[in-house]
Amino acid sequence: GDSVTQMEGPVTLSEEAFLTINCTYTATGYPSLFWYVQYPGEGLQLLLKATKADDKGSNKGFEATYRKETTSFHLEKGSVQVSDSAVYFCALRHSGNTPLVFGKGTRLSVIA
Amino acid sequence: GAVVSQHPSRVICKSGTSVKIECRSLDFQATTMFWYRQFPKQSLMLMATSNEGSKATYEQGVEKDKFLINHASLTLSTLTVTSAHPEDSSFYICSASGERGEPQHFGDGTRLSIL
Repeated sequence: GDSVTQMEGPVTLSEEAFLTINCTYTATGYPSLFWYVQYPGEGLQLLLKATKADDKGSNKGFEATYRKETTSFHLEKGSVQVSDSAVYFCALRHSGNTPLVFGKGTRLSVIA
Repeated sequence: GAVVSQHPSRVICKSGTSVKIECRSLDFQATTMFWYRQFPKQSLMLMATSNEGSKATYEQGVEKDKFLINHASLTLSTLTVTSAHPEDSSFYICSASGERGEPQHFGDGTRLSIL
């Protein structure tokens, strides 16, 4: 079945550092790929998405590119802030109203 | 943008109580709603998928008589945890998706604590 693997956390960075959170997937066909963010005590918020190969999703300084050849969707940000501290989930979904398949999440802590 | 409202945000109750959690889509028609459970510091585990007007489809290992799901309208789904016990304590999150298969929108979750 489909699966998503993301790097183990926690990740601790200093403010303004470069962030990469690796995500790879295993799936049949051509799923859409997502990054969700969960702040402490809250539900999930969609951060960005990409629906086909070579698409780049971007939002709030975060970027991820759908790489079919490497089945990856790594999340990057050039300069993190303390407010970016959260848990980040990589996910995939096939077309239609199918459920998301989540990775285990990566906890990011940014210190001033 | 689309908003999903989940209520209550936190419940603390005694063992044996039944607890109902509501999930509403506020500005779109949610033909499909998903219920997830999240254990501390872990990922989301899909519990069930509900389509409006149909019986919910439960994931393997999820007791359908324990976790009753109703999706009676295009804007409301409910999850009832029947005769809750301490092991049911968890963070429950709903999400909703419209007909066009747009990204799922999540509620803020319900933290259930059974004493």
